[in-house]
Amino acid sequence: GESVGLHLPTLSVQEGDNSIINCAYSNSASDYFIWYKQESGKGPQFIIDIRSNMDKRQGQRVTVLLNKTVKHLSLQIAATQPGDSAVYFCAEKDQAGTALIFGKGTTLSVSS
Amino acid sequence: EPEVTQTPSHQVTQMGQEVILRCVPISNHLYFYWYRQILGQKVEFLVSFYNNEISEKSEIFDDQFSVERPDGSNFTLKIRSTKLEDSAMYFCASSEGTGSEKLFFGSGTQLSVL
Repeated sequence: GESVGLHLPTLSVQEGDNSIINCAYSNSASDYFIWYKQESGKGPQFIIDIRSNMDKRQGQRVTVLLNKTVKHLSLQIAATQPGDSAVYFCAEKDQAGTALIFGKGTTLSVSS
Repeated sequence: EPEVTQTPSHQVTQMGQEVILRCVPISNHLYFYWYRQILGQKVEFLVSFYNNEISEKSEIFDDQFSVERPDGSNFTLKIRSTKLEDSAMYFCASSEGTGSEKLFFGSGTQLSVL
């Protein structure tokens, strides 16, 4: 079946460090992946997305890496700031192509 | 910046009562969605909606649930007879031309069923 998951439920880093949040997916036919950030009491906020014909995509301070061989997705945050503290979800387009399926989330805590 | 707006932010209801959660998607978006999130858990897909009909629904979206786009701006989720286990944060989302990509989410309605 379809499932998207994350390796670690929590990640604690120091301000200024680089953070890496990982996600494993099971549907090898998935052609679209996306990362969301969710702050307490708010809805998921788009960070960055990537299609399966790419291995890497960069945004402002964030990079998403896609390894289709091992069905692994990661989000790298450079120079992590306290404002980056949130729950991070990866999601993939489902087999029908009309819904995003979310993983369980990683809580990132940044201490200064 | 355009955003998805949801009302109310909190809804408390008695078990068995009907509730309607309201959403105003981003104006030029064509695809609409409802998701829910039970406290501390992941965001779960309920239903997607395009061209005035349901595109896909999950097994959570049973006969107690319905969606409607009553006019050109609103998108509603109705739960006919609420159960305790319906207590969750409900998120509306919308996306533009390509379905189920780059969804923009509202801030959610916290539904508490007593």
